[in-house]
Amino acid sequence: NSKVIQTPRYLVKGQGQKAKMRCIPEKGHPVVFWYQQNKNNEFKFLINFQNQEVLQQIDMTEKRFSAECPSNSPCSLEIQSSEAGDSALYLCASSGDWGYTGQLYFGEGSKLTVL
Amino acid sequence: AQKVTQTQTSISVVEKTTVTMDCVYETRDSSYFLFWYKQTASGEIVFLIRQDSYKKENATVGHYSLNFQKPKSSIGLIITATQIEDSAVYFCAMREGAASGSWQLIFGSGTQLTVMP
Repeated sequence: NSKVIQTPRYLVKGQGQKAKMRCIPEKGHPVVFWYQQNKNNEFKFLINFQNQEVLQQIDMTEKRFSAECPSNSPCSLEIQSSEAGDSALYLCASSGDWGYTGQLYFGEGSKLTVL
Repeated sequence: AQKVTQTQTSISVVEKTTVTMDCVYETRDSSYFLFWYKQTASGEIVFLIRQDSYKKENATVGHYSLNFQKPKSSIGLIITATQIEDSAVYFCAMREGAASGSWQLIFGSGTQLTVMP
């Protein structure tokens, strides 16, 4: 069973509404990733953190998407104004490896449907 | 640019047989890391096995093994003695080394495996 905990499992939002997802990484894992998986199974990298610091993020994330990983609190990904194209499975993953080499461990995802 | 390609969209096998799933990758980095994951019907993504580019020996974990052919940029996944519960979508993925400056895991498009009784 996954040790990366994501909530909620399902989100249904109207266009223009905020959507917020949370992630508790595996204990002791300093690196957290957010990916978006569409209905064609394609993965899109959104952002990653090392502890509370953003390492890398895509342009899309900088506009309507915001994310944070505060100390002693769950990480979160928020879409400020949802669009139909945001409907997807949002996956959080963590890694115990500070470097570039480690495998990622994924949560079960938050499935967002934007009506 | 880095890229991972899985050409097999779906495979069906009878249980207890062996199946091989193909994956080819593109990278300019001399150091990289290759992974296979499976995604179950519930959406859960499970790490299966990895191969580091500098290792010549093919990795093996349980009934999963890899066929790493570095000159061909190929990393096939072999599942022996398949079971019904192996039915899932299998993803090949790659991370480049520190020199690339990229932290991302790049995924292939996945292969749907169906294991029949």
